Amino acid sequence: KQEVTQIPAALSVPEGENLVLNCSFTDSAIYNLQWFRQDPGKGLTSLLLIQSSQREQTSGRLNASLDKSSGRSTLYIAASQPGDSATYLCAVNNNDMRFGAGTRLTVKP
Amino acid sequence: DVKVTQSSRYLVKRTGEKVFLECVQDMDHENMFWYRQDPGLGLRLIYFSYDVKMKEKGDIPEGYSVSREKKERFSLILESASTNQTSMYLCASRSWGQGRSYEQYFGPGTRLTVT
Repeated sequence: KQEVTQIPAALSVPEGENLVLNCSFTDSAIYNLQWFRQDPGKGLTSLLLIQSSQREQTSGRLNASLDKSSGRSTLYIAASQPGDSATYLCAVNNNDMRFGAGTRLTVKP
Repeated sequence: DVKVTQSSRYLVKRTGEKVFLECVQDMDHENMFWYRQDPGLGLRLIYFSYDVKMKEKGDIPEGYSVSREKKERFSLILESASTNQTSMYLCASRSWGQGRSYEQYFGPGTRLTVT
């Protein structure tokens, strides 16, 4: 059974810092990996989708990388802003979807 | 834009009631999912459906059933609601098949309280 781990569980940074969130998974036979953002009490919003044949995807200040062979993905957030404060989840797509527990990010003004 | 809608944002039910949570997607996605999310436990898969009239148990199917009579609609049924089913319920859909993105989209969630 696929296991997905996210480190750190929580992160607090001052505004303007660049930061990296980590995701690791145990089974490399995946279709893709997806990063989501969740605000308190809300559903999940898709940020980036990396197909298994890709190495990275970029959207604005976000960059996600995938190393399938080592079972790792990172989400890089450049020049963080208070509006980036949320929980970030990675999900690994086999036949079903397996989620990490998330990283709770706080960006202080 | 893909849209996944859930019938209620907030729901309060009594112990023993039969509860229906409805999810509708408008992008002709083959796969649909029901999760529950609890503090400290993350997202846990209850049931998923590859296609119409198909269903697979997830990690925590006990106390739940599902129905998928039409491609766009996936219903979660709590046969006899209990207080330990108080949770946030999230529905998702995903395209499936050759040439598709396999990207998953979520609804806004239903906060269910069972008293």
